[in-house]
Amino acid sequence: SQQGEEDPQALSIQEGENATMNCSYKTSINNLQWYRQNSGRGLVHLILIRSNEREKHSGRLRVTLDTSKKSSSLLITASRAADTASYFCAPDPPGAQKLVFGQGTRLTINP
Amino acid sequence: EPEVTQTPSHQVTQMGQEVILRCVPISNHLYFYWYRQILGQKVEFLVSFYNNEISEKSEIFDDQFSVERPDGSNFTLKIRSTKLEDSAMYFCASSEARDSGGSEFFGPGTRLTVL
Repeated sequence: SQQGEEDPQALSIQEGENATMNCSYKTSINNLQWYRQNSGRGLVHLILIRSNEREKHSGRLRVTLDTSKKSSSLLITASRAADTASYFCAPDPPGAQKLVFGQGTRLTINP
Repeated sequence: EPEVTQTPSHQVTQMGQEVILRCVPISNHLYFYWYRQILGQKVEFLVSFYNNEISEKSEIFDDQFSVERPDGSNFTLKIRSTKLEDSAMYFCASSEARDSGGSEFFGPGTRLTVL
């Protein structure tokens, strides 16, 4: 299956703390994308990491990729209330014409 | 920053009516997609479109659904005869490339309510 599985399903932390979310997948990939979705809103593209990359940064976001373990992690540092959202990983295998989304990690940042 | 836009933001229709959801993908993108999300459920793929034809469609995308790129900027999803279970958020997305690592960028969605 192309779908990524996010873990944990829910995460609640205090503002200012770091949040780590994990993604596991089953297929080989060209790249893996992370998205954020606020309740009832659209998916916001956060970061794309290619299969030959191990780590990538964007602002307060750090994404790692371990293709040997078929896993990725998303770290949000110095969390803010506005980071409260659901986060999804989307593995993109060769030849795929779509993304397949799982249930995501629901992140709650408590003030 | 370029973005995908969708209209309308909310569409209310009667069961059995036809609806057309409209999207303007990012201008230099070549691949276009529709996804939907029923309230409280996962985002589900409907269809992908490239070079003026469907490249993949899901089981959800039955004969009641069609897509069209009527001109150089718009990408539409038509539901011919809406059912109650078509009520959902519909998201359009576009990407510059596929295998070379093109990110998919999503629009804000159209909330379709079928009464």
